[in-house]
Amino acid sequence: EAGVAQSPRYKIIEKRQSVAFWCNPISGHATLYWYQQILGQGPKLLIQFQNNGVVDDSQLPKDRFSAERLKGVDSTLKIQPAKLEDSAVYLCASSHDKDRGKTQYFGPGTRLLVL
Amino acid sequence: AQKVTQAQTEISVVEKEDVTLDCVYETRDTTYYLFWYKQPPSGELVFLIRRNSFDEQNEISGRYSWNFQKSTSSFNFTITASQVVDSAVYFCALSGTTNAGGTSYGKLTFGQGTILTVHP
Repeated sequence: EAGVAQSPRYKIIEKRQSVAFWCNPISGHATLYWYQQILGQGPKLLIQFQNNGVVDDSQLPKDRFSAERLKGVDSTLKIQPAKLEDSAVYLCASSHDKDRGKTQYFGPGTRLLVL
Repeated sequence: AQKVTQAQTEISVVEKEDVTLDCVYETRDTTYYLFWYKQPPSGELVFLIRRNSFDEQNEISGRYSWNFQKSTSSFNFTITASQVVDSAVYFCALSGTTNAGGTSYGKLTFGQGTILTVHP
């Protein structure tokens, strides 16, 4: 079974530019999560999707971050415009709806550096 | 609100030593799930184990073992006879089962992580 796929793996941009990250969850996983992990910290949830609907986006800085999962499968996270403090690893994870404990399986992440 | 505390920021051991990583949690949910993840230098978070709040049975998997104690809200992780390949950052995480108080069903709250270095 293929794991969670993410691209790109690395991205370097200048502040005020825009950037987009892509995630394809494990096949059959209805729930998809985006986390931000700043160096030296644990991951923090940005947004959680159930199929193509948003379950939780309370921690998403909506003035600059946006995310979509239009067909309920893959998802895109965008930052526009980027700030220096957005430098982090962006992790995507997915879980199966029939798993009551909702164990999350993570992708390799995208390392973003904002200069 | 949910909270996970990993008091040990960094641990350094020599190969073959046993090492225990501590995790303490706070939650108002009566049903919840606890997790341990490993993050090697490559950066990917690797799932190690999940425990349910209603199952306090300890678990052993090879050199890994987990001790879950509800009375002290702790979920500690022990590696026996550590190896260099165990070097990584280890995260303890908590997931509740209600959609309230700033959390959602399935949302993981992570601790700060413990950096484990195993020297040859």
